[in-house]
Amino acid sequence: GIQVEQSPPDLILQEGANSTLRCNFSDSVNNLQWFHQNPWGQLINLFYIPSGTKQNGRLSATTVATERYSLLYISSSQTTDSGVYFCAVERGFGNEKLTFGTGTRLTIIP
Amino acid sequence: DAGVIQSPRHEVTEMGQEVTLRCKPISGHNSLFWYRQTMMRGLELLIYFNNNVPIDDSGMPEDRFSAKMPNASFSTLKIQPSEPRDSAVYFCASSLGQGIETQYFGPGTRLLVL
Repeated sequence: GIQVEQSPPDLILQEGANSTLRCNFSDSVNNLQWFHQNPWGQLINLFYIPSGTKQNGRLSATTVATERYSLLYISSSQTTDSGVYFCAVERGFGNEKLTFGTGTRLTIIP
Repeated sequence: DAGVIQSPRHEVTEMGQEVTLRCKPISGHNSLFWYRQTMMRGLELLIYFNNNVPIDDSGMPEDRFSAKMPNASFSTLKIQPSEPRDSAVYFCASSLGQGIETQYFGPGTRLLVL
């Protein structure tokens, strides 16, 4: 099956800093989603971004499908950004089965 | 919208007992997904339904696990008999199901099997 690797596995930053999270995948995909799992365990969908660039407030994401990677940018980090960020991909072909990466644990220190 | 609703939020049971987890998807969503999250295996898809029909159950670990979706607004995941290694957080998610869609997750059920 498709492999999804995320880096770095852990990231500790001071409040106000910027960060870049990376997701590499081993095969072409028709669907890529970024999720944030907050410290209470809730999974929130951030972006549906199989290609191109999207922005939502302080967060933005870019997927370069031809090179099989996606980046999630967080600017001016806040403590509420802490949690685990997951990248998930799907190859399509009429199947909605998402394969999740192992995540990046982000800790924002006040 | 209330989002995806799961119950119970927490379940503690003894090995050998039957466990039933419940999920109500977002109204109007046609696809429903059951995931399991553990430290060792991360987030993995167990099964998903489209229009109440199971489409992919390749992630169901073994015959002790079964899932049903009797109608568009309700699904169950049953473990019988339960084992300590089934301890995990079980998430239900739903999507519009018209192709490749954003998935929306419920709050999860934290299961502990003693």
